[in-house]
Order: sequence, then structure tokens, then C-alpha cells
Amino acid sequence: EPEVTQTPSHQVTQMGQEVILRCVPISNHLYFYWYRQILGQKVEFLVSFYNNEISEKSEIFDDQFSVERPDGSNFTLKIRSTKLEDSAMYFCASSNRGVNYEQYFGPGTRLTVT
Amino acid sequence: RKEVEQDPGPFNVPEGATVAFNCTYSNSASQSFFWYRQDCRKEPKLLMSVYSSGNEDGRFTAQLNRASQYISLLIRDSKLSDSATYLCAVNWNTDKLIFGTGTRLQVFP
Repeated sequence: EPEVTQTPSHQVTQMGQEVILRCVPISNHLYFYWYRQILGQKVEFLVSFYNNEISEKSEIFDDQFSVERPDGSNFTLKIRSTKLEDSAMYFCASSNRGVNYEQYFGPGTRLTVT
Repeated sequence: RKEVEQDPGPFNVPEGATVAFNCTYSNSASQSFFWYRQDCRKEPKLLMSVYSSGNEDGRFTAQLNRASQYISLLIRDSKLSDSATYLCAVNWNTDKLIFGTGTRLQVFP
């Protein structure tokens, strides 16, 4: 069964550093998403991406965040200057049909900012 | 009112029991509804989509009540392996899924 994969599984970084989280969506999917989950809280939408551009973003997704699809398989989330409050689990998801359809999540990257 | 609301639980049930969770949503324009299962520190795994006519997958049954703006999940013959947090997710014709905080289920022997 095809899966979304993410690397690394855990990233520790110092405040102010840049991090790049990587995702490989399911191969025939065209819609990609990033969500985050702060420990003990609910899963929150960050951004959606389709046809090489952002289609929707939340208020969390400020200028410190960016996404990219650098090649035909990877989808990345960059945080330019990490803050303590960026510590969370970051999940990538993908869908083959977009709005209103099922999204499949990767195993997540646990980001710890010290 | 929160966009998507769930009773956090925990629901502690014995093996073999039937248990049901509800999830209420605030936006009447909501279009699609899902139940996900999340194990501790893992990703949400899609359990089932919830259709207007309701749907069933083995021991799991999901229902949608648009008039009262809630969805439900019924688990029959609970197994120890059903212990997890069950997340409700709602979409109102945009890209994003709005998640509830989840309902924790603990099945004991």
C-alpha cells in the first residue's frame, strides 16, 4: 500500500536556525499539505499546495514558512528562523482528488527547538 | 463555539463492548467528514469517510446528522487494539481539514 514518507523522524535545532522538513507524497497524488500538532493539542492545518503553488494557507503559516516541490517526488517545508513555539510534530499529507476528499498522512517529523 | 468539538474522554470499555463517539461541527456549510485514528505520537490514519447515507466498514459504523450538525462513530465488539484517540475532521469546501481534539478510547481485557 503506497504511503507518505517523511524525513527526518526527529529534528533538534537551536532557536533562530533554519530547518527543512522533507516529505515524499504518494506517487499519483497531486495535492499536498502540511499540518502540525503541538504536544497535547489538535492537528492544525498550515498550508496546501497544488500545481506548483500554494492554494491555501493558515494564519500560522507566516513569512517564516515556505514550501517547495523541488522535483517530481519531494515536497518540503522550510522554517527560516525557528522559534521555541515551533516545537511540534509536523505532518505531511497528500490527496489524489483535492478539496473535500481523503487526505493521507505521513509519519511526521518531530521538531524540537531549544 | 469551537469549529469541531469532541468529548476528550477517556472512554474506558471492556473488550467486546460497543462504544460510540460523537463530534459536533459549527459550520453548516461543511461538505465532507472523516474519522481518523491516532495512536500516541503517531500520524492520523484515515479510518473512514462519512457519507450522508452513513457507512459501515466491518465493526465500524459512521453516521452523519446534518440537521443537528454532528457525526458519530460506533465501534462494535471492541478489541484491545482499538485503544487509540479518534479524531473527527471536517472540510467545508476548502483545502484544509479542521480537526477536533480527539476522543481517547481505552479498551481493557
